[in-house]
Amino acid sequence: DQQVKQNSPSLSVQEGRISILNCDYTNSMFDYFLWYKKYPAEGPTFLISISSIKDKNEDGRFTVFLNKSAKHLSLHIVPSQPGDSAVYFCAASGGGATNKLIFGTGTLLAVQP
Amino acid sequence: GAVVSQHPSRVICKSGTSVKIECRSLDFQATTMFWYRQFPKKSLMLMATSNEGSKATYEQGVEKDKFLINHASLTLSTLTVTSAHPEDSSFYICSASHWGTGELFFGEGSRLTVL
Repeated sequence: DQQVKQNSPSLSVQEGRISILNCDYTNSMFDYFLWYKKYPAEGPTFLISISSIKDKNEDGRFTVFLNKSAKHLSLHIVPSQPGDSAVYFCAASGGGATNKLIFGTGTLLAVQP
Repeated sequence: GAVVSQHPSRVICKSGTSVKIECRSLDFQATTMFWYRQFPKKSLMLMATSNEGSKATYEQGVEKDKFLINHASLTLSTLTVTSAHPEDSSFYICSASHWGTGELFFGEGSRLTVL
């Protein structure tokens, strides 16, 4: 049972435009959500997170939105840059095990110059 | 910033042999470390949670006798894949939870290929 889902395996965006990556979850106990960026043959690097008490968190070009009623979060990257091309994973934790992350399946973002 | 190092980054071994992967937190103490496995084009799957000085907690479906995890110190956890088979070929990633802040940092990953 996939508790965290990223339904789009890939996304292609033009440089300068907005990239929107989506993530859905099923477990209402999740109370902390994170986005990671991953290049091939490397470990994930942390991008941005959001607590369930918030609905938006912004850090530079990256903004994460959380819709708890829909159990949906999204990552907005604007403006997109070619260096943003990577696989993006959303992850969720909660229910007492705060660092036990459940990852989504990832979305491969390709930013075209 | 905090760094987590994995070694080796790539390893090729023959079927039936055992392989040890190390995960070290270089500039912080980590009471808890996590081991993940990533299949091609798949999510990172949590294998086990290891706490310093105690037995690892394995996720459902992960064979604890096959994937031996040892967390002997606050800066080192090891994953040993015993009697490796080609289906164990994968990308293994560790993460370490900072003792003071609880922040999570990931290693660079280790690519295991079993021939």
